Amino acid sequence: DVKVTQSSRYLVKRTGEKVFLECVQDMDHENMFWYRQDPGLGLRLIYFSYDVKMKEKGDIPEGYSVSREKKERFSLILESASTNQTSMYLCASSYRNTGELFFGEGSRLTVL
Amino acid sequence: LAKTTQPISMDSYEGQEVNITCSHNNIATNDYITWYQQFPSQGPRFIIQGYKTKVTNEVASLFIPADRKSSTLSLPRVSLSDTAVYYCLVAPSSNTGKLIFGQGTTLQVKP
Repeated sequence: DVKVTQSSRYLVKRTGEKVFLECVQDMDHENMFWYRQDPGLGLRLIYFSYDVKMKEKGDIPEGYSVSREKKERFSLILESASTNQTSMYLCASSYRNTGELFFGEGSRLTVL
Repeated sequence: LAKTTQPISMDSYEGQEVNITCSHNNIATNDYITWYQQFPSQGPRFIIQGYKTKVTNEVASLFIPADRKSSTLSLPRVSLSDTAVYYCLVAPSSNTGKLIFGQGTTLQVKP
């Protein structure tokens, strides 16, 4: 079974802190994605990557950056966390762009 | 980029068949249609994918008309455990294309 592992299920950070959310997949997938999920807004794409060191902006990239130094790992970085970034963050991977995404369990971030 | 539209919520009773329709008017020729299920505090889970006509697996059926501007996820004889949010996704043929989800449909199954 494909496994997508997110480093933390729950995090609490303070405004202005730098936050790292890590995601690792074990199926040699080319594509990896970061989404955030908020009540009433569904899943919104922050960034995605289709190869090592490649990244593309999604619909809401402002306030976020990403890093993909190795194929299996995709990191989401909040340079200076703000309260409006309190959310559930979901990482996913896929073999190319087949549309069959495998999601992690999510990381619930609270920014105080 | 194909935008999807789904009903925000639906109610059903145990044992009924549930059909959830997704509209994707500007779907491109090579795009695939995919459906996901999400339970609270979990990531979405792939259910089914199709390109045209009908696809069936052990969980659901997916009906896609000839013009492909919509698709219908059919869940046979739902149970309480099918209460979840269901998302429709149109996957672009380009490997560098965005995968944008719609707002999803919250299905509430009642006893």
